[in-house]
Amino acid sequence: SQTIHQWPATLVQPVGSPLSLECTVEGTSNPNLYWYRQAAGRGLQLLFYSVGIGQISSEVPQNLSASRPQDRQFILSSKKLLLSDSGFYLCAIGQVSGANVLTFGAGSRLTVL
Amino acid sequence: QKEVEQNSGPLSVPEGAIASLNCTYSDRGSQSFFWYRQYSGKSPELIMSIYSNGDKEDGRFTAQLNKASQYVSLLIRDSQPSDSATYLCAVNGPNDYKLSFGAGTTVTVRA
Repeated sequence: SQTIHQWPATLVQPVGSPLSLECTVEGTSNPNLYWYRQAAGRGLQLLFYSVGIGQISSEVPQNLSASRPQDRQFILSSKKLLLSDSGFYLCAIGQVSGANVLTFGAGSRLTVL
Repeated sequence: QKEVEQNSGPLSVPEGAIASLNCTYSDRGSQSFFWYRQYSGKSPELIMSIYSNGDKEDGRFTAQLNKASQYVSLLIRDSQPSDSATYLCAVNGPNDYKLSFGAGTTVTVRA
C-alpha cells in the first residue's frame, strides 16, 4: 500500500527565513504528486503538481517553488517566507490513470512570525 | 478554473439524525466527484467517490450526483459524535491531473 511521509510535522519560522518541506512516498512508482496548502479556516489550494521527475506545474504565482529530484520525493521550498505563507501544507499522491483519487500525507503545519 | 461551492455551515445535528451536505460545481465537463472528511488538525481522508448520476451508498454515507444540475450531495445517516468534522467536496474532469476543492462544511453532532 502507498505511504506518504512528510516532515517536519510542525515548524515556526521568522519572516524572511528560508523553507524546505519534504515529502517522500513508498509503495508506488511514478506517482502524480501534489502540494496543497490550507490556510486557517480555508479550503485546499493547489500549489504545485508533478507527473514525473523534474516536471513541475505551478498553479499559483507566489514565492514558493517545488522540485522533484527523485521519483518518490517532492520538495517545497521558499527563499524568503512571508506571513501569508502560514498554513497547513499537504503532500498528496494521485492515481496515474482513471479517476484522480488523492491520498494525503499527515501534513506540515507552518507558522510564520 | 473549476469552482466548487459548499454550504458554509457550520451544521449542527443531534446524534442519530441525518446530516445533509451540499456541493455545486461550475465545470459541466467534470466527471469525478469526491467527499473527504477532515478532523481538526488532521489531513483529509477520502470517504466517498461517485462518477455516475444517482445515489451511491457506503454504510451510513450516501453520495448523490446530478450532473444536469451540477450538484453533488452527501448524506450521513444515524449521525454519531465521531462524524463531527469538516467535509470537503472535490471535483475533477476527464484527463485532469488537478482536483478542485470546496471550502468545506463543518459538521458538529450533538450527543
